[in-house]
Amino acid sequence: EVQLVQSGAEVKKPGESLRISCKGSAYRFTNYWISWVRQLPGKGLEWMGKIDPSDSYINYSPSFQGHVTISVDRSITTAYLQWSSLKASDTAIYYCARLGGEHSNSLYFGLDVWGQGTTVIVSS
Amino acid sequence: DIQMTQSPSSLSASAGDRVTITCRASQNIMNYLNWYQHKPGKAPKLLIYAASSLQSGVPSRFSGSGSGTDFTLTISSLQPEDFTTYYCQESYSSPNSYTFGQGTRLEIK
Repeated sequence: EVQLVQSGAEVKKPGESLRISCKGSAYRFTNYWISWVRQLPGKGLEWMGKIDPSDSYINYSPSFQGHVTISVDRSITTAYLQWSSLKASDTAIYYCARLGGEHSNSLYFGLDVWGQGTTVIVSS
Repeated sequence: DIQMTQSPSSLSASAGDRVTITCRASQNIMNYLNWYQHKPGKAPKLLIYAASSLQSGVPSRFSGSGSGTDFTLTISSLQPEDFTTYYCQESYSSPNSYTFGQGTRLEIK
């Protein structure tokens, strides 16, 4: 079964750093871009950015550029979302998702496989 | 940036009803429109891509239509498991902005 499995919930303090992960399995990991999506408490979905696991090329949403870092380790079929200095406003659920089109950087085919979500709580 | 507006924001219906959710784009996005179902505590699920293509494994009671700026998601006969939140998402703004609608909450009447 094609899966994306995310790392567990995190509770951090403002100013701390954090990296959450998303591991793909049962498909050719380097053939499909990975996206990250945020859901603030009680709010809707926001697209953050995407990465091509084959060459680590990244597109960030302007809303998130400079605030997070997306990366990938092909050798362990895992994508990452990273913060260097968390803020309380980063409290949210974060989802990774696979772009549906093989070898495509477009969301034309939608986000077809999703991770289960990682809850990040930032509180002093 | 493209703005995506869903209507209604919430909707009450009964099992067996036919319901339609609308998504309007602020500019022409051709058929670059996806629909997702999102249940609390679960991952979102892709229902429809390219405005009208049913994602594999999705029940045929779900359908999508539209092009340009106006799109609809129709559920032909509501099942108990369908009462949750639905989002549209444009896939036109390559490569670094793919806006979601604000969501439509479908509630039991």
